[in-house]
Amino acid sequence: DQQVKQNSPSLSVQEGRISILNCDYTNSMFDYFLWYKKYPAEGPTFLISISSIKDKNEDGRFTVFLNKSAKHLSLHIVPSQPGDSAVYFCAASGAGSYQLTFGKGTKLSVIP
Amino acid sequence: DSGVTQTPKHLITATGQRVTLRCSPRSGDLSVYWYQQSLDQGLQFLIQYYNGEERAKGNILERFSAQQFPDLHSELNLSSLELGDSALYFCASSVQRDRLDDGEQFFGPGTRLTVL
Repeated sequence: DQQVKQNSPSLSVQEGRISILNCDYTNSMFDYFLWYKKYPAEGPTFLISISSIKDKNEDGRFTVFLNKSAKHLSLHIVPSQPGDSAVYFCAASGAGSYQLTFGKGTKLSVIP
Repeated sequence: DSGVTQTPKHLITATGQRVTLRCSPRSGDLSVYWYQQSLDQGLQFLIQYYNGEERAKGNILERFSAQQFPDLHSELNLSSLELGDSALYFCASSVQRDRLDDGEQFFGPGTRLTVL
């Protein structure tokens, strides 16, 4: 039973345009959500997070939106750059536990 | 560079063998987490240690065990290895002060285990 789902295995976007990566979760006990970026042969790198008490968090080109009623979050990257090409993982934690539950990832390709 | 180190980077071994993966957390981080990433799978949480004590367990097999030492480094021991244990094993660390703090975890580069 996958509690965190990233339904798009891949996404291609033109350089300079917006990239939108989506994530759905089923466990209503999750209260903290994170996005990680992963390049081949490297460990995941933390990008941005959001607590369930917020519905938006921005950090430079990256914005995460949380819709608790829909159990949905999204990561917006504007403008997209070729260096953003990587696999993006959505993760969640909650219920007093720090362990992260990850989605299977979305491979983003930014085309120059 | 996340500040989390893992050794070895690659490990090739045979079925039935036992291996030990090592992780050193970021300076000051008390919590260490182990994750497994198999082909076609996302990262699966295995186990967490906090300041030397086991804090949480995920889908960790009985053949696997871990510990965190007084200097806070951690080791993941995998025994009676099977072909299906071939995977990337990541270690992550965090400060884990309290729930109002960031829950972000910082990941090491991983150990790629190949069981032949």
